[in-house]
Amino acid sequence: NAGVTQTPKFQVLKTGQSMTLQCAQDMNHNSMYWYRQDPGMGLRLIYYSASEGTTDKGEVPNGYNVSRLNKREFSLRLESAAPSQTSVYFCASSELDRVDYNEQFFGPGTRLTVL
Amino acid sequence: DAKTTQPNSMESNEEEPVHLPCNHSTISGTDYIHWYRQLPSQGPEYVIHGLTSNVNNRMASLAIAEDRKSSTLILHRATLRDAAVYYCILRDSGSARQLTFGSGTQLTVLP
Repeated sequence: NAGVTQTPKFQVLKTGQSMTLQCAQDMNHNSMYWYRQDPGMGLRLIYYSASEGTTDKGEVPNGYNVSRLNKREFSLRLESAAPSQTSVYFCASSELDRVDYNEQFFGPGTRLTVL
Repeated sequence: DAKTTQPNSMESNEEEPVHLPCNHSTISGTDYIHWYRQLPSQGPEYVIHGLTSNVNNRMASLAIAEDRKSSTLILHRATLRDAAVYYCILRDSGSARQLTFGSGTQLTVLP
């Protein structure tokens, strides 16, 4: 049981390049999330998917797109990377989309630098 | 959304109890109090959550004030592995399902 896995672990892009961050979970969770964490700050939600087939914007969605490929996988795409997108990206999943019991499990993160 | 206030940093000695405070004076009746922690270079990890009553689990205890305007995360015997940033988060049952992280408390455990 690997939990939440993310690829790649590290990535360096040039301004304007595109890339897709991959996330997969093997816990049969319904809900998945993408967050970014800038240095010295807490996490901010980019997009989330409450269940397979649905996606919704979070706090900072501009410059990103997502795809809930199936129940296991949730990808994040940067179409034209900008230096402001330099950050650590975390994927998370949760069994239920409920706030009264909604433990989120996080992946190890992808460290992205945009030059 | 209701906000939380936590000290920027705290220190503790190994094997001693640690009390991490969180103020949330604008909390509403439907806000759940969640705690997560983030170890260095890792993703956040769930610690505990509660609504009104004190809660215990294998990792920690959560003490919630009677008026719910503050809460305290209690680590009963700190270990070096407990050194992390601890986030106190309020989650409204009527809002989006996101976790809204503040800046948290950096806990240093001294050997």
